[in-house]
Amino acid sequence: AQSVTQLGSHVSVSEGALVLLRCNYSSSVPPYLFWYVQYPNQGLQLLLKYTSAATLVKGINGFEAEFKKSETSFHLTKPSAHMSDAAEYFCAVSVSGYSTLTFGKGTMLLVSP
Amino acid sequence: DAGVTQSPTHLIKTRGQQVTLRCSPKSGHDTVSWYQQALGQGPQFIFQYYEEEERQRGNFPDRFSGHQFPNYSSELNVNALLLGDSALYLCASSLVFRGAGTGELFFGEGSRLTVL
Repeated sequence: AQSVTQLGSHVSVSEGALVLLRCNYSSSVPPYLFWYVQYPNQGLQLLLKYTSAATLVKGINGFEAEFKKSETSFHLTKPSAHMSDAAEYFCAVSVSGYSTLTFGKGTMLLVSP
Repeated sequence: DAGVTQSPTHLIKTRGQQVTLRCSPKSGHDTVSWYQQALGQGPQFIFQYYEEEERQRGNFPDRFSGHQFPNYSSELNVNALLLGDSALYLCASSLVFRGAGTGELFFGEGSRLTVL
């Protein structure tokens, strides 16, 4: 079975600062990895995905994530936070292309002026 | 191009009642999955439908059932509601079983169920 651990239920940054949201996964087979963002009272929007191609994945809104097999990690970063980045972020893992995702508990990103 | 649409957006039920939630997938998608997101938690997989059959199921009791129609739309039914069923129910569609499976899901905005 696969699992996802997101370290930190809340992360606070200042506008313009580096954003780093941590995700570690457990999977018995090569994983597919995803980051989703959820704004208040909305569904989930895909930020980026890793599907065994390049280990550094670029997504929307300036986010990127690096797959590190040796560390079983897939941390999400953004060089400079914007106020509009304040939302909840979910890391998820899948072991096939059949769309059943296992999500982490989420990390709430707070951005202060 | 319409994305995933869900109805109703909000509803309130009492314990013991039954509820039906509806989902229309993104145009061109053939697979619908349902997730339950309790407050402060990540979404949890309930089940997945393709070709009008349940293909995969998560760890949810039989009180949770579903259906997929020929036009790929789907319903989630929950019987004998419990207080713990209060959650945001998310529908997600994908194109999976036609050889294009990358695991990417497109989510609707959810149906928020409150059980009193």
